Amino acid sequence: SQTIHQWPATLVQPVGSPLSLECTVEGTSNPNLYWYRQAAGRGLQLLFYSVGIGQISSEVPQNLSASRPQDRQFILSSKKLLLSDSGFYLCAWTGDTGELFFGEGSRLTVL
Amino acid sequence: GENVEQHPSTLSVQEGDSAVIKCTYSDSASNYFPWYKQELGKGPQLIIDIRSNVGEKKDQRIAVTLNKTAKHFSLHITETQPEDSAVYFCAASYNNNDMRFGAGTRLTVKP
Repeated sequence: SQTIHQWPATLVQPVGSPLSLECTVEGTSNPNLYWYRQAAGRGLQLLFYSVGIGQISSEVPQNLSASRPQDRQFILSSKKLLLSDSGFYLCAWTGDTGELFFGEGSRLTVL
Repeated sequence: GENVEQHPSTLSVQEGDSAVIKCTYSDSASNYFPWYKQELGKGPQLIIDIRSNVGEKKDQRIAVTLNKTAKHFSLHITETQPEDSAVYFCAASYNNNDMRFGAGTRLTVKP
């Protein structure tokens, strides 16, 4: 069966520090991968999606970037975090059926 | 692009009562409509979905209805239980890369 893992689960970082959140999917090949952000009490905002290795599309201009170095690995990064980057970050994947499955999330607090 | 509106934003019901959450979408090309349940601190979980070739789908106590002409779909939960308390999100998409979410409904089931 397919599973998705993302880490770390929680992260507290100072303003100006770098960020790296990692996501991996098991049990499938060539998934579409996504990064969403959820601000406190808010909906889900799509940040990036990828249809293949090295292929990244950005939905909104921001302080973050994404990379897909391997088929089932998706990384969210920042060189210098801002206070406004705080939030709950969710990795997700879809396969051939189009159903979207989320990871457990990473809560980032920027101080 | 697609725009999904969801209401109500909060809903409180007595245990055993029914709960209904409604969503509208703007893009008539959308053909896939999932619903997610998100518990505190966790990633959203897919609970039911419907595709545009059917008008209703049921899975035990939950059901989803779709009106393509009016471009709205609804989640129905019958015989609610305290464990149904969570935030529910609707979504609409035409392809795997363009799933748009509603803002969420916080459901509280009072024992």
